[in-house]
Amino acid sequence: EAQVTQNPRYLITVTGKKLTVTCSQNMNHEYMSWYRQDPGLGLRQIYYSMNVEVTDKGDVPEGYKVSRKEKRNFPLILESPSPNQTSLYFCASRSSGRSYEQYFGPGTRLTVT
Amino acid sequence: AQSVAQPEDQVNVAEGNPLTVKCTYSVSGNPYLFWYVQYPNRGLQFLLKYITGDNLVKGSYGFEAEFNKSQTSFHLKKPSALVSDSALYFCAVRPLYGGSQGNLIFGKGTKLSVKP
Repeated sequence: EAQVTQNPRYLITVTGKKLTVTCSQNMNHEYMSWYRQDPGLGLRQIYYSMNVEVTDKGDVPEGYKVSRKEKRNFPLILESPSPNQTSLYFCASRSSGRSYEQYFGPGTRLTVT
Repeated sequence: AQSVAQPEDQVNVAEGNPLTVKCTYSVSGNPYLFWYVQYPNRGLQFLLKYITGDNLVKGSYGFEAEFNKSQTSFHLKKPSALVSDSALYFCAVRPLYGGSQGNLIFGKGTKLSVKP
């Protein structure tokens, strides 16, 4: 089954404790991205990657890091989480074709206390 | 600035009645437009898209959307709503300039509530 998986689905952590949210897709997609969803703000892109070893900032990159060492994986790293990063996070992927249809993971609900 | 607006935070419809979820956009050139649906505790699912061609686009679950270039709108419609259509709906546009190439700009979402 074609899918995007994220882990963990739920995470409660404390300020300053480094964490990683994993994302993996099995569709051989070149393009992957991370979004955060906040009430009243919709989805905002954090980082994206056009292919292996190619990453760039989205609209709200502050406080986040990413890496793309393999085509299928695109982890999101919070080096020193803060309460304002409490949010619902989605990973997405799509092919490099012109359809631009993105496939989303199930989401990771992060709470930083 | 390129943007997408969903003017209604919530739309309430009775089951069996037609529904419309509104979306307007502001982009340069010819837009690529999308609708996604998010059910509770789930990720976003693709419903339909407009890239070119017929202004009326048909998608999943009986939904359709009409592209209106003069009004810069892409409203989502369904002739007969089901209770199971209750969800959060997002309109999105692919920006042609600026931002991350190929990324989608999402609206803030409209909560659709269909009552029996």
